[in-house]
Amino acid sequence: NAGVTQTPKFQVLKTGQSMTLQCAQDMNHEYMSWYRQDPGMGLRLIHYSVGAGITDQGEVPNGYNVSRSTTEDFPLRLLSAAPSQTSVYFCASSFLQGPEAFFGQGTRLTVV
Amino acid sequence: DAKTTQPTSMDCAEGRAANLPCNHSTISGNEYVYWYRQIHSQGPQYIIHGLKNNETNEMASLIITEDRKSSTLILPHATLRDTAVYYCIVSPDSNYQLIWGAGTKLIIKP
Repeated sequence: NAGVTQTPKFQVLKTGQSMTLQCAQDMNHEYMSWYRQDPGMGLRLIHYSVGAGITDQGEVPNGYNVSRSTTEDFPLRLLSAAPSQTSVYFCASSFLQGPEAFFGQGTRLTVV
Repeated sequence: DAKTTQPTSMDCAEGRAANLPCNHSTISGNEYVYWYRQIHSQGPQYIIHGLKNNETNEMASLIITEDRKSSTLILPHATLRDTAVYYCIVSPDSNYQLIWGAGTKLIIKP
């Protein structure tokens, strides 16, 4: 099993550009989520999904969109990148009943 | 805001038990205590969780006080590979939206 796979691992964007961060899991997990982590801080929830076709906002959703068309994939779209979105982004998945969330290795995004 | 309070950093000698405290004085009756760790900016890794009873698995033990207002994660024989940031999180079992604080940076020294 590959677990949770995030692509790309690194990305540099110019202000105003858009891009999609990919996340895929092969564990048939219902729950998937996106977090961002700024230096020296814990993770903050951006968006989450409890199943295909169902998404909801987390703590810091502004500037990001998500969709969930399949159980396996949960892409995160940056609509118009801003320097404040420079961060490390983690995707996670789990069964709805938990307890263990599995995380990808992260995407390190720099917006210049 | 995170519902937990943890020390910013701790040291432990290799081979000794590492005891990481966490205060969660406002924990609700349906909230579990979860512990994760993050090694060198990798994706976080689940360690253990519990509701009210003490729990043990192959990685660690979790001791929760009777009033549930605090807990301690115990790594029984710490190794250098246990150097990481350890996060204590409280969350209801029906809601997996984990709220993360800054965690405790644990440094294992040879």
